Order: sequence, then structure tokens, then C-alpha cells
Amino acid sequence: AQKITQTQPGMFVQEKEAVTLDCTYDTSDPSYGLFWYKQPSSGEMIFLIYQGSYDQQNATEGRYSLNFQKARKSANLVISASQLGDSAMYFCAMRGLGAGNKLTFGGGTRVLVKP
Amino acid sequence: DAMVIQNPRYQVTQFGKPVTLSCSQTLNHNVMYWYQQKSSQAPKLLFHYYDKDFNNEADTPDNFQSRRPNTSFCFLDIRSPGLGDAAMYLCATSRGPSGGAGETQYFGPGTRLLVL
Repeated sequence: AQKITQTQPGMFVQEKEAVTLDCTYDTSDPSYGLFWYKQPSSGEMIFLIYQGSYDQQNATEGRYSLNFQKARKSANLVISASQLGDSAMYFCAMRGLGAGNKLTFGGGTRVLVKP
Repeated sequence: DAMVIQNPRYQVTQFGKPVTLSCSQTLNHNVMYWYQQKSSQAPKLLFHYYDKDFNNEADTPDNFQSRRPNTSFCFLDIRSPGLGDAAMYLCATSRGPSGGAGETQYFGPGTRLLVL
């Protein structure tokens, strides 16, 4: 069975500062993918970044970077230079090779960027 | 731009009155998913189609059905909506074939269902 844990239900961040969103996972699959999605109040789930379990380097996409620590089973999302538009719910998700097409989601972290 | 489209964005129905939500995609992806998301919760997978093969989650109520008449369209039918079915319904697609852990799912904007 796969499990994703996001321990921060909500957090505030000052505009232009960096913020780290925690995500830990548990799986017995040797190959898996880790994803982060952003969900604004409008409801759409926006794909942000992906990290493969065998990737040697941490993934980066613009202001988003993934701090992948395989031994600790953590995949934290770092958002640099926060903007007001970053205020949203953020979900960490995982897909294991043995899970078919199924994504397992964490409970989410709500981020509010303060001006 | 290639995308996942859901109509309508908001749907109001009456208790027990059948309702259909629609999803279309221009990504030409093989796999289409339906998720239910209640307030302040993570999305919950209801079922998915890999091409024409239907895959139901074990805990999806029988009240929920789905149709995929072609690659581009997928429908969610709720036969007799109850108050507890009020939620956001998200459609997603992925390229397929399954087996690759890195396969990304792309979501539509969702349909908010209100049951009166």
C-alpha cells in the first residue's frame, strides 16, 4: 500500500520569501513517481513538478524545486520568491509501478501568501 | 492549446434527479479519470478508462456510472444524487500505457455539483 503524508495543514508566507511544503511517503514499490499539484480556489488541479524515484538530480521547474531525499522518503516542495498568486492548496501525490494508473494523494497544505 | 475541458463548471440538481457531467480532452490521451473531491479533502478516484477498458474503484458507489464513447469524451452519470454527492468532480487524463510510474495526470477545471 502507498501512503502520502503532508503534516502542514496550513501556512502563511510573506510575499517574495521562499516556502517549503513537507511531504513524506511510504511505498514498497522500487519504482515510483512523486508529483506536486496546486489547486487554487477556482478548483483546477495544476501540475507543478515531477520527481522519479531513480532520478539522480532534484527536479526544478521555474520557481518550483523538489527536495528529494530518498532515504528519508521525503519529497518537499520549495517555492522561491512567493507571489500572491501562489496562495492555494498544494497536494503531494505518488504513483507506484504496482499501482496501475492510480495516484495516491496527501491531505494537502493550504498556503496563504501575505503582501 | 491542448487541454482537458469540463462542462458545466457549476451544476445544480435536485435530490434523486439523474445528472451527467462531461469531460473532453484534446490531448489524445489514452486514459481518462474521474475524481470526487469534497471540501478540504484530497481527490478520491472513482474510476478510470484505459482506452475502452473501464476500471472501477472498489469503494465507488453503484450510483456512479461512466461512459466513454470515444477517445475525446468521458461522462460521469450520477443516477440518483444524494446530498452527500455534492462535491467537486474532477476529470483527468494521462497518456498511457500504464506501467510507467512517471506518467503525469492532467486535470480539467472541475465541475462543482450542488444537490438541493
